Amino acid sequence: DVKVTQSSRYLVKRTGEKVFLECVQDMDHENMFWYRQDPGLGLRLIYFSYDVKMKEKGDIPEGYSVSREKKERFSLILESASTNQTSMYLCASSFGASGTNYGYTFGSGTRLTVV
Amino acid sequence: GQQVMQIPQYQHVQEGEDFTTYCNSSTTLSNIQWYKQRPGGHPVFLIQLVKSGEVKKQKRLTFQFGEAKKNSSLHITATQTTDVGTYFCASSRYKLSFGAGTTVTVRA
Repeated sequence: DVKVTQSSRYLVKRTGEKVFLECVQDMDHENMFWYRQDPGLGLRLIYFSYDVKMKEKGDIPEGYSVSREKKERFSLILESASTNQTSMYLCASSFGASGTNYGYTFGSGTRLTVV
Repeated sequence: GQQVMQIPQYQHVQEGEDFTTYCNSSTTLSNIQWYKQRPGGHPVFLIQLVKSGEVKKQKRLTFQFGEAKKNSSLHITATQTTDVGTYFCASSRYKLSFGAGTTVTVRA
């Protein structure tokens, strides 16, 4: 089974801190994604990557950056955490841009609280 | 991304009854995917539809893609408590855009 592992299940950070969320997948997928999930808003795409050292902005990239130095690892960075970034963050990976017939595989999520 | 709207936002179902949730777009979709997220869990891929008018079944779940490829539906028959969760539709050309989801609760 494809496994997508997010480094932390819960995080509490202070306003202004730089925050790193790590994601690792073990199935050699080219594509990796970061979403945030908020009640009533569904999943909104922050950033995605189709290859090592490649990144593209999603629908809500402001206040975030990403890093993909290795194929299996995709990091989300909150440059200066703010309370409106309190959310559930979900990492996903896929084979192919739209996931072909296997869809996206999601990690278990990181619930970030910024105080 | 390709924007999709889901209705209803909430669905309260008596155990044993059927229900349908809908996914609509104002533009033609290249594909539609459905995911299920259990309470406290993460989204899990259920199925992908690509062809106009396509219908696929998974046990009690029936997925349809509209003839015009602008809408899709998920129909669940004989609802069980294991069906509780949020069902998302999503569509993509280069990256998945998700609807807001339909959250299903079941009365025993």
